[in-house]
Amino acid sequence: QSVLAQPPSVSAAPGQKVTISCAGSISDIGNNYVSWYQQLPGTAPKLLIYQNNKRPSGIPDRFSASKSGTSAALDITGLRTGDEADYYCGTWDNSLNVGVFGGGTKLTVL
Amino acid sequence: QLQLQESGPGLVKPSETLSLTCTVSGGSISSNSYYWEWIRQPPGKGLEWIGNFYFRGGTYYNPSLKSRATISVDTSKNQLFLRLTSVTAADKAVYYCARRGVVTVENDYWGQGTLVTVSS
Repeated sequence: QSVLAQPPSVSAAPGQKVTISCAGSISDIGNNYVSWYQQLPGTAPKLLIYQNNKRPSGIPDRFSASKSGTSAALDITGLRTGDEADYYCGTWDNSLNVGVFGGGTKLTVL
Repeated sequence: QLQLQESGPGLVKPSETLSLTCTVSGGSISSNSYYWEWIRQPPGKGLEWIGNFYFRGGTYYNPSLKSRATISVDTSKNQLFLRLTSVTAADKAVYYCARRGVVTVENDYWGQGTLVTVSS
């Protein structure tokens, strides 16, 4: 059972918007930055969002994220079939001194 | 450009010890700004944090591994190591090494991963 709670799957049509939620606690999301990762089939996770809402170079602005209290959310607009992947949220737990991830959300672009 | 490359046996027998190496190039594991981590992913499942090494602060581990994991480094070779003892079929996974910012806590660089199967 993952520390951070994500929906197992989301789906939407091409061109639409989808939101993936990530729920944690005061010791993890509540006191740390949240990052998001995209994992395409058969590849390593790739950093998509860091420090709650910043995009690394090369990540399009169709990907955005936010954090409020002990929860975070990833928005993807203008969906493309190439966005089909597993998405993970992640952060650090200050009380246990461990890295934590969500269980992952599989995005299907119908 | 930072690169991380995992290496090690792809097959380990039950009850034996899994040993992996992560070779870091383009950056130093002696940095004060980063943790160097092992993360694994069982087939078809999510990411599981194993533990990390911090040059200024030692190591942290996932309590769920019940002291089976040991992370060490060779700073002269810029390598990170993972030993996992008493492996079972449940330890079959793709093992990744990754870098995590100490303050910003994101895993910004990942290795390509190496699949380890546990079987006799």
